[in-house]
Amino acid sequence: GESVGLHLPTLSVQEGDNSIINCAYSNSASDYFIWYKQESGKGPQFIIDIRSNMDKRQGQRVTVLLNKTVKHLSLQIAATQPGDSAVYFCADYSGYSTLTFGKGTMLLVSP
Amino acid sequence: GAVVSQHPSWVICKSGTSVKIECRSLDFQATTMFWYRQFPKQSLMLMATSNEGSKATYEQGVEKDKFLINHASLTLSTLTVTSAHPEDSSFYICSAEKDSSDVLTFGAGSRLTVL
Repeated sequence: GESVGLHLPTLSVQEGDNSIINCAYSNSASDYFIWYKQESGKGPQFIIDIRSNMDKRQGQRVTVLLNKTVKHLSLQIAATQPGDSAVYFCADYSGYSTLTFGKGTMLLVSP
Repeated sequence: GAVVSQHPSWVICKSGTSVKIECRSLDFQATTMFWYRQFPKQSLMLMATSNEGSKATYEQGVEKDKFLINHASLTLSTLTVTSAHPEDSSFYICSAEKDSSDVLTFGAGSRLTVL
């Protein structure tokens, strides 16, 4: 993930909209990527992962897209619900390295 | 599914005292556990990697004498913040993996406030 910033970018959407959260990573050797959801006062919760030999992976209401050329990862949430409000982090692994977290994006869903 | 438990979830202590935080894997044996620190509105920063039966590996800039990590069994790792100061106030999160091919499972975090 990118270096840590002091302020979380925020994405505000209406309930029912589709949300797209973006993440850039810096390590070109990263070969495994994970999206986590973190609700206030809780630990990160696994959402979906993708390996570098794929460019798209779908889960229930979520899709992760990977563009290795520009080192970019996105998380798409379909029909966003108020319960989706949280901070979303991308994280990446490379070989024997440890998991590195991106800066995070706060998603606010209005009813 | 895999569950990781942290205790305490919230602790307040006086400056100069030491605080121990426990991280347990409840339904699996974790060969490796990781400790992260998270300040408000910031990302998780890895502090150290803890392997059962061996010394922890600390990330650059993390004082190993201040943040003591013990991984005495395959289900328990502890982080002791020694001589805590207000700047150590943070959210400490652990994670555990059964083996290197497994996805990390995170604990719910422990919020430390040093007065």
